[in-house]
Amino acid sequence: RKEVEQDPGPFNVPEGATVAFNCTYSNSASQSFFWYRQDCRKEPKLLMSVYSSGNEDGRFTAQLNRASQYISLLIRDSKLSDSATYLCVVNLNSGGYQKVTFGTGTKLQVIP
Amino acid sequence: DVKVTQSSRYLVKRTGEKVFLECVQDMDHENMFWYRQDPGLGLRLIYFSYDVKMKEKGDIPEGYSVSREKKERFSLILESASTNQTSMYLCASTATGSQPQHFGDGTRLSIL
Repeated sequence: RKEVEQDPGPFNVPEGATVAFNCTYSNSASQSFFWYRQDCRKEPKLLMSVYSSGNEDGRFTAQLNRASQYISLLIRDSKLSDSATYLCVVNLNSGGYQKVTFGTGTKLQVIP
Repeated sequence: DVKVTQSSRYLVKRTGEKVFLECVQDMDHENMFWYRQDPGLGLRLIYFSYDVKMKEKGDIPEGYSVSREKKERFSLILESASTNQTSMYLCASTATGSQPQHFGDGTRLSIL
């Protein structure tokens, strides 16, 4: 089983739709979680951290389910500018270092 | 804002050449990372460093070496470039292991 798994998509959704992505992780001791956004041929940029109680930033909501070992990202009222690849990131303390694992990303295409 | 600067956006080199990729961060971060990103494979960690003159192998260190002589600078070296090292290379930094990483713009390296 991969350490971090995401559905590669693509998710093709109309403008204004709500879309949700999940990301599963294999190690229950994982400690911190993030969502990044990556535009084509650009570097990943931090979208938001994921907190245990769930957190919201405008149209974006992130949640963590430790029991089932997944994190989710919900995007409401999708905009054309939301089209990108969304990467989940999982941090784990391993041997004194933080092991950072990136998912391979979920591609979102918002259609006019 | 954190600024991570990579020396080149695009680089073309020949097989067998020694290639240097430079990365500088301006936020006094302890940790610095080098990744490569290839289609379908996501981000793969090559090397990381948690302090000056310290380095640790990531998941795919073969064919690469690194240097961290100053806290703000982390260099990736391809000792003898090969065509399978054609890729997008991304540098990142973070203050602590549990914090999100900040990426440079990336270097698109082509080995001919």
